[in-house]
Amino acid sequence: QQQVKQSPQSLIVQKGGISIINCAYENTAFDYFPWYQQFPGKGPALLIAIRPDVSEKKEGRFTISFNKSAKQFSLHIMDSQPGDSATYFCAARGNQGGKLIFGQGTELSVKP
Amino acid sequence: SQTIHQWPATLVQPVGSPLSLECTVEGTSNPNLYWYRQAAGRGLQLLFYSIGIDQISSEVPQNLSASRPQDRQFILSSKKLLLSDSGFYLCAWSRQGRVRTGELFFGEGSRLTVL
Repeated sequence: QQQVKQSPQSLIVQKGGISIINCAYENTAFDYFPWYQQFPGKGPALLIAIRPDVSEKKEGRFTISFNKSAKQFSLHIMDSQPGDSATYFCAARGNQGGKLIFGQGTELSVKP
Repeated sequence: SQTIHQWPATLVQPVGSPLSLECTVEGTSNPNLYWYRQAAGRGLQLLFYSIGIDQISSEVPQNLSASRPQDRQFILSSKKLLLSDSGFYLCAWSRQGRVRTGELFFGEGSRLTVL
């Protein structure tokens, strides 16, 4: 019940295309859903986050879509660029503590 | 501004040798501190977290231990390394207090190879 399942494990997209990464969760007590971006050899950094009272959040080319009834959320990267090539992690936090539960990660490669 | 330092960046150790990875945070007080492990091709596994000095919770039983001797210092240790301890170790911090953004700030990581 504490798991966050992320797919796909890897993704190859052409420059200018849309990258879509999906996550699903079981615990309805989760109240905060961030996405982290990690470049090779570096620590992850917060990219964008959403709370369950909204269905969508957009920041530049990055959009989170949230479906509370389906317990799913996804990251959309519009006009994907080679510089977006990185590993992306979704995560969820329970409202009883500050610990984040991470998905398994998606390795995105954007081809020029 | 807040910064997090983690060292060493790279470490190659023989099986059975001890381990000490250190993490310090600057520019904030009383942070929550975390140790994560990232195995090749896998996600981020929470190993330990701490809400204060000498207050440490272990998430996964294993060959590792953690200590927090000072408010902004977090140490990951092992008495005898196993091959399975190889991985990328990440220290992270988050703010405590009434406003919980949930944001974790990660260090640059320490890559451990056990041979």
